[in-house]
Amino acid sequence: QQQVKQSPQSLIVQKGGISIINCAYENTAFDYFPWYQQFPGKGPALLIAIRPDVSEKKEGRFTISFNKSAKQFSLHIMDSQPGDSATYFCAAIKFNDYKLSFGAGTTVTVRA
Amino acid sequence: DAMVIQNPRYQVTQFGKPVTLSCSQTLNHNVMYWYQQKSSQAPKLLFHYYDKDFNNEADTPDNFQSRRPNTSFCFLDIRSPGLGDAAMYLCATSRDSYQETQYFGPGTRLLVL
Repeated sequence: QQQVKQSPQSLIVQKGGISIINCAYENTAFDYFPWYQQFPGKGPALLIAIRPDVSEKKEGRFTISFNKSAKQFSLHIMDSQPGDSATYFCAAIKFNDYKLSFGAGTTVTVRA
Repeated sequence: DAMVIQNPRYQVTQFGKPVTLSCSQTLNHNVMYWYQQKSSQAPKLLFHYYDKDFNNEADTPDNFQSRRPNTSFCFLDIRSPGLGDAAMYLCATSRDSYQETQYFGPGTRLLVL
């Protein structure tokens, strides 16, 4: 069973626009929520991450919003650039459990 | 200054012919993971090592084995590859059980003919 649900499956945004990817989880025992960015033919790379006691985290053009009561979190990519075109995975992990629970992934295409 | 290195990047094997994929790390991390990723899917954990302790996922086929001879190296052995085993195989590391970040290698693309 998929513990983290991610949507949309794909999205297209114009250069300079905002990309929004949403994730939802059921297990309240998760301790950490990372986002990974993956380019074709490459391994996933950690983009940004948040703990459940924080409602928002911003790093450059990337922002995570976290709603603990709703068990939802989202990634916002501001001022989207063609170089942001990639697949984004949300994930969740329990400390000492080792296992990342991935969402299904969202393919983002930024049109110039 | 590559941190997680996988060799080869591309591997072609024949149906049923054993194949070994290699991973090395310069981070001195205790935990090493092997993931399988098929096209347009999320990575799927096969197994991981905490130091020398091997942990197999319940749904990992017996066809997949792993070895970790030392801290730096980890191998994935596929004893009798089938067509369904064609995928990207990703190695990842983390410092310890309370280390949130997993660092992924570039992956090995396996093709089974």
